[in-house]
Amino acid sequence: QVTLKESGPVLVKPTETLTLTCTVSGFSLSNARMGVSWIRQPPGKALEWLAHIFSNDEKSYSTSLKSRLTISKDTSKSQVVLTMTNMDPVDTATYYCARIEYSSGWFVDYWGQGTLVTVSS
Amino acid sequence: DIQMTQSPSSVSASVGDRVTITCRASQGISSWLAWYQQKPGKAPKLLIYAASSLQSGVPSRFSGSGSGTDFTLTISSLQPEDFATYYCQQANLPPLTFGGGTKVEIK
Repeated sequence: QVTLKESGPVLVKPTETLTLTCTVSGFSLSNARMGVSWIRQPPGKALEWLAHIFSNDEKSYSTSLKSRLTISKDTSKSQVVLTMTNMDPVDTATYYCARIEYSSGWFVDYWGQGTLVTVSS
Repeated sequence: DIQMTQSPSSVSASVGDRVTITCRASQGISSWLAWYQQKPGKAPKLLIYAASSLQSGVPSRFSGSGSGTDFTLTISSLQPEDFATYYCQQANLPPLTFGGGTKVEIK
């Protein structure tokens, strides 16, 4: 059974750095056929892809947020970590981690439950 | 980045209606498109991948079509549990991009 679960702070202050952890089970982060992405959704708005990490540790980032994002993984702990620097109230959103399996395109077959992060002083 | 434009942004329909949602990519993406359903407070759920392949467990009233830049999600006979927001996503290569969403509401 594949599961992903996000954890991290629910409230961060403007200019702070956000660190979120995704703990996965039911698959290995070393499986070359799949990887993990972070996707966010501001309240009442659309989904926005942020970053992805491959099994070989290669990374890919959102064009607009690249300078603020870092994604990493610890395969032995089955964890993927996203950091986002210089947080702003517009970054208030539900942050999802998601598994992407590459066989028929880059689509998400499993999602975490999401974690709401509020940016406020 | 590839831009994804969905229309309409919302639609009012009755149970039993046929509903069609369109998605247009700013450049050709072959058949690399996915559709998701999202209900309030929940994570999205994959419905369709590779433009027309039905994800396991998804009812057959959902279907997808299209290739290149123009795609369609059709619900053949709307059921009460189908009232939700639907998103398309280009599934070619990163950076991945989503459409703005279509909210299907009760008429």
